[in-house]
Amino acid sequence: QKEVEQNSGPLSVPEGAIASLNCTYSDRGSQSFFWYRQYSGKSPELIMFIYSNGDKEDGRFTAQLNKASQYVSLLIRDSQPSDSATYLCAVVRSGGGADGLTFGKGTHLIIQP
Amino acid sequence: EAQVTQNPRYLITVTGKKLTVTCSQNMNHEYMSWYRQDPGLGLRQIYYSMNVEVTDKGDVPEGYKVSRKEKRNFPLILESPSPNQTSLYFCASRPPGPLALVQFFGPGTRLTVL
Repeated sequence: QKEVEQNSGPLSVPEGAIASLNCTYSDRGSQSFFWYRQYSGKSPELIMFIYSNGDKEDGRFTAQLNKASQYVSLLIRDSQPSDSATYLCAVVRSGGGADGLTFGKGTHLIIQP
Repeated sequence: EAQVTQNPRYLITVTGKKLTVTCSQNMNHEYMSWYRQDPGLGLRQIYYSMNVEVTDKGDVPEGYKVSRKEKRNFPLILESPSPNQTSLYFCASRPPGPLALVQFFGPGTRLTVL
C-alpha cells in the first residue's frame, strides 16, 4: 500500500508567523506532488504543485520537495486567519495505470489572530 | 464559468433506496472521477473515467456504480445504499496536457443514509 502521511494537527500558528506543513510518502517512484487547501465542508482547491527537487514559490506559499528523503512541505509566510483550513498533500503514484493520485489525510491549520 | 457541478448538494435517504448523484463539467475534460471523504480516512477514490464509455475502479468501489455516456456527465449510482455509505462525496475532473494531474473538484454532496 503506497501511503502519504501527514500530521493531522491541529497546528496552531500565530498570525504573521510562518506555518510549516509536512508530508511524507512511501512510493519512491512518485514524481508529482500537490498541495490542496480545504475549508470545512468545502471542496479541495489546488494551491501548488511541484515536480522537481528544491523550492517553488508562489506569493506567500513555498513548496519544498526532497525526493531522496521522500518528503514534501508547504510553507505559508505571513500567515493570515483566512489560511485556517485543512491542507491536503497529494502524490501521484508510480507504476503506471490510468490514475494514481493518493491523498494524505490532511493537516488542520489554525492561525491565531 | 468553468466548473464542476454536483446535484444534489445534500441528501438524506434510507437504506436500500436507490439514488443517483449527478456530476457535470463544462470544461471538456476527458478525465472524471468520484471521491468520498470521511473523518480520519481522508479522500478516497471510488471510480474514475478516462473518457466516454471508459470507467475503472478506484480504491473503494464496492456498493457504487458509474456510467459515462457523455463527456460532460459522470453520475454516481448507489443501487442499495447502506449507512456505511454516509459520507461527503466529491466529483472531480482533470484537463489534458501539462496540467493533466491537477484535479478540479465539484462542491460536494453530503449524503446521509439512515
